[in-house]
Amino acid sequence: DQQVKQNSPSLSVQEGRISILNCDYTNSMFDYFLWYKKYPAEGPTFLISISSIKDKNEDGRFTVFLNKSAKHLSLHIVPSQPGDSAVYFCAASSLFNAGGTSYGKLTFGQGTILTVHP
Amino acid sequence: DVKVTQSSRYLVKRTGEKVFLECVQDMDHENMFWYRQDPGLGLRLIYFSYDVKMKEKGDIPEGYSVSREKKERFSLILESASTNQTSMYLCASRFRGNEAFFGQGTRLTVV
Repeated sequence: DQQVKQNSPSLSVQEGRISILNCDYTNSMFDYFLWYKKYPAEGPTFLISISSIKDKNEDGRFTVFLNKSAKHLSLHIVPSQPGDSAVYFCAASSLFNAGGTSYGKLTFGQGTILTVHP
Repeated sequence: DVKVTQSSRYLVKRTGEKVFLECVQDMDHENMFWYRQDPGLGLRLIYFSYDVKMKEKGDIPEGYSVSREKKERFSLILESASTNQTSMYLCASRFRGNEAFFGQGTRLTVV
């Protein structure tokens, strides 16, 4: 049961253009969403996050949009640079579990390989 | 800066061996996680821990166990390594609802 899905295994974009990475989720209990970037042979690094009380969060070239009714989020990178080429993972969590205690579990999608061509 | 350190970058083990992967974090985080990354499957959660001596199974716990005797250290144990456990293993720590910080990963090859 894949609760977080990234349906595009790869994306190829020209330098300077916009990259849009998409992510869908099924669990309505998720209230916090994150994007990570991963280079080969390294651990993922945190990029940007958004709480379910917002629909947009921006940090420099990176913007995350959340559509709760559609259970969909997207990451926009503008302008794209060759150094952005990496695997991008979206992740989701709910702060509290069914028992009401603080709970930090993160569920990840399958990842999208972004290639930015010079 | 938060630091999550995994004991090895690369490991080669034989089938049937008992394998220990160690992870240490320096930020007093409650939550620690072990994931494995495989092409096309993303990051899959093996086990996580939300406190010392507390552990919960993730999505793919079979063939693995964990130990958390101290808050800063979370160990993943492969009881009897098999070739289908060849993978990239990633440890992470997290304070409640904030972002998780990952170690550099351990590339394990079981031959």
